[in-house]
Amino acid sequence: EVQLVQSGGGLVNPGGSLRLSCTASGFTFPTHTMTWARQAPGRGLEWISSIGGFTSVYYAESVKGRFTTSRDNAKNSVYLQMNSLRADDTAIYYCARDLTPGTTGWFDPWGQGVLVTVSS
Amino acid sequence: DIQMTQSPSFVSASVGDRVTISCRASKGVSKRLAWYQQKPGNAPNLLIYAASSLQSGVPSRFSGSGSGTQFTLTISSLQAEDFATYYCQQTDIFPRTFGQGTKVEIK
Repeated sequence: EVQLVQSGGGLVNPGGSLRLSCTASGFTFPTHTMTWARQAPGRGLEWISSIGGFTSVYYAESVKGRFTTSRDNAKNSVYLQMNSLRADDTAIYYCARDLTPGTTGWFDPWGQGVLVTVSS
Repeated sequence: DIQMTQSPSFVSASVGDRVTISCRASKGVSKRLAWYQQKPGNAPNLLIYAASSLQSGVPSRFSGSGSGTQFTLTISSLQAEDFATYYCQQTDIFPRTFGQGTKVEIK
């Protein structure tokens, strides 16, 4: 079974940092682009970053320079390092896999999501 | 960035109804469009990819059509488990962008 399990959410002060993890199983991890998306309370979905199998990484303008996406193919894991957090970063954060090897942009499956709350 | 606009934002419908949701892209995306269903408290679930391909395990009452800038998601006969919010998403270029969502509610 293809599965993504997330960890690392929580409450953080404005200006603080947090690292999210997403561990995959059930498929050949290095061949798939992985994506982070988020959903603010009561709002729609927002794509924030995608990382290809080896080095290519893309970011939304809203997080560029503050967030860093990386992956460890040996650990079947992708990470989202979030720095200089702001109140408007408060959201449920999801990781997701591209449906097929390469970069297609169809996201399936998604992780269970973790809540990040930025507040003093 | 490519803006995705869904209409309507809310649909009030009954079990058995045919429901159609539209999605318009601000620039042509060929057939590089996906549809997702999201129920409260859950992660999104891929329904349709490449504008009209049904994801494995998704009931055949769901269908997608369109290309370029105009797309449609159709639920041929609404079931109780289909009450949810639906999002379109373009996969043509980065940044990937989603529509604002269409909530399908019980009439």
